[in-house]
Amino acid sequence: DVKVTQSSRYLVKRTGEKVFLECVQDMDHENMFWYRQDPGLGLRLIYFSYDVKMKEKGDIPEGYSVSREKKERFSLILESASTNQTSMYLCASSSVQGNSPLHFGNGTRLTVT
Amino acid sequence: AQRVTQPEKLLSVFKGAPVELKCNYSYSGSPELFWYVQYSRQRLQLLLRHISRESIKGFTADLNKGETSFHLKKPFAQEEDSAMYYCALSTSGGSNYKLTFGKGTLLTVNP
Repeated sequence: DVKVTQSSRYLVKRTGEKVFLECVQDMDHENMFWYRQDPGLGLRLIYFSYDVKMKEKGDIPEGYSVSREKKERFSLILESASTNQTSMYLCASSSVQGNSPLHFGNGTRLTVT
Repeated sequence: AQRVTQPEKLLSVFKGAPVELKCNYSYSGSPELFWYVQYSRQRLQLLLRHISRESIKGFTADLNKGETSFHLKKPFAQEEDSAMYYCALSTSGGSNYKLTFGKGTLLTVNP
């Protein structure tokens, strides 16, 4: 069974801090994604990656960056956290095979004070 | 640009009643559509995909290209169906390269 693991379930940071959210998957998936989930707004794609060292902007990349140095790991970086980045962050992975589903992690609830 | 619309934020039905969660999409290419579900305190997971034409947990969904819809239906709702449901559109040939989600519908099935 595919496992996508996000390193923290809950995180509290101060405004201006640099924040790292880590995600690891164990199924050798090529594609990895970061979404944020907000009530009433659904899931919005921040960044995605289809290969090591490759990344593409999603719909709301502003204020975020990502790193994919190894196939199994995809990190989301908040360069200078702001209160409007308080949210639930979901990592997901999938293979490149047609119609393969996204496998999600449990999420990281980030609060920026 | 692709768009997924779920017009109902909240939907409440009684156990045993039929349920329909609406989903409309906007996409100029050939769409591939999915329903994802998130039960309380669980991770988001795939419920079903249109290409499989399958029934999962009694739910079905038919792609209607004329109406650009992919509504999720179940004839007799159960309390364990209470969850958040997201409709999603894949716009990259089915590789889930980029999956666009709707805003979700919270389904509550009352006893």
